[in-house]
Amino acid sequence: QVHLQESGPGLVKPSQTLSLTCTVSGGSISSGDYYWSWIRQHPGKGLEWIGYIYYSGSTYSNPSLKGRVTMSVDTSKNQFSLKLSSVTAADTAVYYCARVIKRTEYLDYWGQGTLVTVSS
Amino acid sequence: DIQMTQSPSSLSASVGDRVTITCRASQSIASYLNWYQQKPGKAPNLLIYGASSLQGGVPSRFSGSGSGTDFTLTISSLQPEDFVTYYCQQSYTTPLSFGGGTKVEIK
Repeated sequence: QVHLQESGPGLVKPSQTLSLTCTVSGGSISSGDYYWSWIRQHPGKGLEWIGYIYYSGSTYSNPSLKGRVTMSVDTSKNQFSLKLSSVTAADTAVYYCARVIKRTEYLDYWGQGTLVTVSS
Repeated sequence: DIQMTQSPSSLSASVGDRVTITCRASQSIASYLNWYQQKPGKAPNLLIYGASSLQGGVPSRFSGSGSGTDFTLTISSLQPEDFVTYYCQQSYTTPLSFGGGTKVEIK
C-alpha cells in the first residue's frame, strides 16, 4: 500500500518561500509509471492543481502560479518537494501531495494534507 | 486551459435515493475524466477514472458515464457515508483542473 506524507512549516511569513516535502513509502518514486504531484485547497474551497514532477526531474507547474513554483525530487530518500516563492495570504491553504498515473493522469494516492498559513 | 463546471453545487437527498452529479468540460476531453470523493478534513479519494472505470475498493453503487464534454457521476442508492463532497477532474491536458465540487447533503 502506497503512503504519502507531507511535512513542512505550518506558518510562513508574507513574501517568504513556502517549502514542503512529501515522503513516499510502500513504493518507489523512481518508477517510470507515475508523476508526483502537489495540489492545494483554500479553506472551504475547491481543489487547485499546482504541478507535478517525474522521477527524472522534469516538471510541469500550473501557469496560474506565475512562475513561483519550484519542484524537486530526491530518489535516494523517496521524497519530492515543493517551493512556492513570494507567498501572500492568498497562498494559505491545505497542501496535498499525490501520485499521478502517468498514462491517464488521475491521482490515485494522496497524502493527508498539511495546512500552511501565511501570516506575519 | 480547460474549465470544469459541476452542477449542482449542492443537493439535498435522502438515504436510498439515486443521485446524479454533472460535470461539463469547456472543450472535448474524450474520456479523460475522473471523480473524487472528499470527506470533511480528509484528502480526496479516487472513485472513478477514465469516465467510467471504478477504482478498486469503491462500492458498486458509484458509477460514471459520458465522453467529450459531458459527464455524470451516479450514486444508485445513497448511504449515510455518501453525504460528502464530490469533485470531477480532467486529465486530458495540463494544467490538470478540477470542478468546483458538489456537496451532497441530507434532506
